[in-house]
Amino acid sequence: GQQLNQSPQSMFIQEGEDVSMNCTSSSIFNTWLWYKQDPGEGPVLLIALYKAGELTSNGRLTAQFGITRKDSFLNISASIPSDVGIYFCAREGAQKLVFGQGTRLTINP
Amino acid sequence: DAGITQSPRHKVTETGTPVTLRCHQTENHRYMYWYRQDPGHGLRLIHYSYGVKDTDKGEVSDGYSVSRSKTEDFLLTLESATSSQTSVYFCAIARGFETQYFGPGTRLLVL
Repeated sequence: GQQLNQSPQSMFIQEGEDVSMNCTSSSIFNTWLWYKQDPGEGPVLLIALYKAGELTSNGRLTAQFGITRKDSFLNISASIPSDVGIYFCAREGAQKLVFGQGTRLTINP
Repeated sequence: DAGITQSPRHKVTETGTPVTLRCHQTENHRYMYWYRQDPGHGLRLIHYSYGVKDTDKGEVSDGYSVSRSKTEDFLLTLESATSSQTSVYFCAIARGFETQYFGPGTRLLVL
């Protein structure tokens, strides 16, 4: 299948630091999605991107759809304890989503 | 929160026994999905449905079957559970297939 490579796999940061993660693919796509999964719960959609070059914010979160349409970035500014969780990128195709492996974010107070 | 529930939330079973997981929605969404989540693999699609009685396989469908006899319910069946099917199972629903709303998950342990 068409894999998504998400990095880093895990991050350990101090509260207040900025966070950056990315997702790449060998194929081009029309949609990039970013989900967050809190411990013990199902993933929740954070941001959806539909155009190459698009930059979209949701509070302290900012995501960008890469200009080549093969990658996407998610940034979190001034991290807080509730940002802990697993962040997944996803792309759509044929009525389905394919998810990256996830980035596990741990924050030290 | 989207009206989606999963039952049971936790289950322990023995190898070789049949297991059925239920996903129930109150949103009347067309699309329903079953995923499994395992460490290092993220979320992998097992089966999905695009309407009543309309289902299709995902990337890890071997050993699983599904049924959708009405809009609100999507059942996932393990005909003969194996230890490799120990996992956390998530159901998701969507009006359009991009914005998926996930249920709380079912933790299945196959001994």
